[in-house]
Amino acid sequence: GDSVTQMEGPVTLSEEAFLTINCTYTATGYPSLFWYVQYPGEGLQLLLKATKADDKGSNKGFEATYRKKTTSFHLEKGSVQVSDSAVYFCALSLTDSSYKLIFGSGTRLLVRP
Amino acid sequence: NAGVTQTPKFRVLKTGQSMTLLCAQDMNHEYMYWYRQDPGMGLRLIHYSVGEGTTAKGEVPDGYNVSRLKKQNFLLGLESAAPSQTSVYFCASRTSGGTYEQYFGPGTRLTVT
Repeated sequence: GDSVTQMEGPVTLSEEAFLTINCTYTATGYPSLFWYVQYPGEGLQLLLKATKADDKGSNKGFEATYRKKTTSFHLEKGSVQVSDSAVYFCALSLTDSSYKLIFGSGTRLLVRP
Repeated sequence: NAGVTQTPKFRVLKTGQSMTLLCAQDMNHEYMYWYRQDPGMGLRLIHYSVGEGTTAKGEVPDGYNVSRLKKQNFLLGLESAAPSQTSVYFCASRTSGGTYEQYFGPGTRLTVT
């Protein structure tokens, strides 16, 4: 079945370091892909999205490219800040009538000053 | 425009008690979803609705019931709470068109003792 696998955390970085969080997926059809972010004690917020192969989603300095050949959607940021500390979830949207989201298990990012 | 709201924010139940979680959205969205979040497991879909008066089972529906009598509200019920239902519950909604992203509420933290 459809699934999302993302790297386990926690990921600990110093401020201004480069960030990569790996995400791969298994899906039938052509799903849309998402990264959501969850700050402590809050709900999930959409960070970025991509709807077709080779699309690049970007927001707040974060980027991810929909790679169909490698079934990947890795999240990157060139220079992280302390305020980026959060849990990041990769997700895909099923293309059936439910449009359900399938989530990865989440990756906690901790950025130290 | 409040987006997606959830009531209550926190609740402690004893085993066997019942309760209802309320989700409300003011974006006129057709689709609504209930997820639970447990450590290391991402979010798992409990039930969902593709429109007023409809409901369907998700990945982990046992022990829960739902109703969607009004388009803007989606209720999640626990008839006889069990400790295994201790979790954080998130409601989400999405429009019928667009690029499939879902908008999440702030969550309800439920503890069953």
